[in-house]
Amino acid sequence: DTAVSQTPKYLVTQMGNDKSIKCEQNLGHDTMYWYKQDSKKFLKIMFSYNNKELIINETVPNRFSPKSPDKAHLNLHINSLELGDSAVYFCASSQRTGANSPLHFGNGTRLTVT
Amino acid sequence: SQQGEEDPQALSIQEGENATMNCSYKTSINNLQWYRQNSGRGLVHLILIRSNEREKHSGRLRVTLDTSKKSSSLLITASRAADTASYFCATDARATDKLIFGTGTRLQVFP
Repeated sequence: DTAVSQTPKYLVTQMGNDKSIKCEQNLGHDTMYWYKQDSKKFLKIMFSYNNKELIINETVPNRFSPKSPDKAHLNLHINSLELGDSAVYFCASSQRTGANSPLHFGNGTRLTVT
Repeated sequence: SQQGEEDPQALSIQEGENATMNCSYKTSINNLQWYRQNSGRGLVHLILIRSNEREKHSGRLRVTLDTSKKSSSLLITASRAADTASYFCATDARATDKLIFGTGTRLQVFP
């Protein structure tokens, strides 16, 4: 019954590899997000999609490419992984677009690049 | 730059005591939200307070908002060991539609 689920929970990989993280929400929400949380717990928005359409794209390297096949799914593909990409990546959803709609988060994917 | 900063960075209390966390932000907002993050888990939404509200309650949580001082506080009354977590405020800058998270307060409640 998990509302926002993301896989995998842990991802350990070497520099230069390409990896993907998947996210699905069963809340019927229109908007989905990717956030990055660094080692100091600072949480920063990366992307936001509303009904499969990209609406927020922060200054993220173009090695990061989100893909939303439908409004219940938002995947994140990362090319040519670097050490600095190591972090916890959170998927989230909200009922509506806009910062007045509470976010529902997945439990995160801890990415470690060696 | 970050919109919100929490204070203190870390707080340790005994069960039964009250815990107060503060959040300061820089620009005008439409609303402010508080979230809790347990270790190894995602953030959970606790409460949303709008810019025209001064105080809001939810169970043992009390949130205040002072827009003149650009600050908010989260009070957890009669704390429990299960309240041990990191607490984040998040604000929307009026010029954007993005939710910006603060730096978080790590709360440890000892039984």
